[in-house]
Amino acid sequence: AQKVTQAQTEISVVEKEDVTLDCVYETRDTTYYLFWYKQPPSGELVFLIRRNSFDEQNEISGRYSWNFQKSTSSFNFTITASQVVDSAVYFCALPLRSNYQLIWGAGTKLIIKP
Amino acid sequence: ETGVTQTPRHLVMGMTNKKSLKCEQHLGHNAMYWYKQSAKKPLELMFVYSLEERVENNSVPSRFSPECPNSSHLFLHLHTLQPEDSALYLCASSQDLAGEPDTQYFGPGTRLTVL
Repeated sequence: AQKVTQAQTEISVVEKEDVTLDCVYETRDTTYYLFWYKQPPSGELVFLIRRNSFDEQNEISGRYSWNFQKSTSSFNFTITASQVVDSAVYFCALPLRSNYQLIWGAGTKLIIKP
Repeated sequence: ETGVTQTPRHLVMGMTNKKSLKCEQHLGHNAMYWYKQSAKKPLELMFVYSLEERVENNSVPSRFSPECPNSSHLFLHLHTLQPEDSALYLCASSQDLAGEPDTQYFGPGTRLTVL
């Protein structure tokens, strides 16, 4: 069965600290995709990244970086020099074979204190 | 213009009312989705449309009735709702449903409260 686990329910750090959000997935598929979304208090789910299992290179986008480790079935997300505006709930998601139905993690609530 | 818009942003309705949620996407996508997000629960996929045809209906009660008149617009008609239907209703769109999983882009949601 496919599953996404975000074990960290809530993380609180002080601004400018680095923080890593964990995502562990289970799938029997040999090729698959993974997604990260951000949901600020306003409610909208904001797309952050889509990663193909073929590509194991780490991705960096400004202060955001993603570490994809197939050996441990993890796709972790790091925010460097966190800012108050990074406060949100972050979701990791894995598509089912149907391609459009996403298995969502429970989300990690990130609180950045000034 | 933002990619996916939803109206209204907030809605309070009684159990006997009839209301509709509207979603519009400006991304030229062919697939649209309705999700329900309740407190302490995972995001639930309700309906999926591809080129105005419904392709998914995840055992959603008949008091929720979707409508997709064209690939840019999606409605969710509500009638005789229950208090447990209070939630954030999110609309999303993606390029299409074929091939590799496309990114779903979400609207800001409608916060629904049923009294």
